[in-house]
Amino acid sequence: DTEVTQTPKHLVMGMTNKKSLKCEQHMGHRAMYWYKQKAKKPPELMFVYSYEKLSINESVPSRFSPECPNSSLLNLHLHALQPEDSALYLCASSQVGGGLYEQYFGPGTRLTVT
Amino acid sequence: QQQVKQSPQSLIVQKGGISIINCAYENTAFDYFPWYQQFPGKGPALLIAIRPDVSEKKEGRFTISFNKSAKQFSLHIMDSQPGDSATYFCAVVPTGNAGNMLTFGGGTRLMVKP
Repeated sequence: DTEVTQTPKHLVMGMTNKKSLKCEQHMGHRAMYWYKQKAKKPPELMFVYSYEKLSINESVPSRFSPECPNSSLLNLHLHALQPEDSALYLCASSQVGGGLYEQYFGPGTRLTVT
Repeated sequence: QQQVKQSPQSLIVQKGGISIINCAYENTAFDYFPWYQQFPGKGPALLIAIRPDVSEKKEGRFTISFNKSAKQFSLHIMDSQPGDSATYFCAVVPTGNAGNMLTFGGGTRLMVKP
């Protein structure tokens, strides 16, 4: 099973709302990622968690707050977003080390900020 | 600082033809070269990948050719089908990168005409 699930599939939120995106994998992967993808562009890395610890934060604004409650779950908390934050938010997971580089992506959450 | 340049940006191929997408990278210290396929509204899916000690890898109709001295790698899709119509991203993973950070090329939108 190489499935990464994400909820919700679609989300519309106002600039004053607080919402959360959720991601789950049961492949035993110990690295999990959040990416942001704008239309017709490649995914851009936002955060990396390795063994449930934040290892990489690609200078993402504080209105995005990641959380990794356990090895299978990854959340992205959203607060006071701007319309330019509208995008497809992708979660991915992979093994750590051992030359195993394959990253598996979820279907994404389509976020619209109004 | 673009480390991976992908071409062409878009490609139209007749059914049964060969689709060729190229990527060039700017740094020699990469360990892993995957290709991802993304359909509209979906997350990227790992299609095929190669390591730098191999010059070619074939999986079904998909072949990666790797030229280490030229710092280039390409994806060949043989007998292209309308169902192959998607956006394709090449990517690289730096050597010794425990976080498996992917750097993506800009993407190629492939359309296969019936």
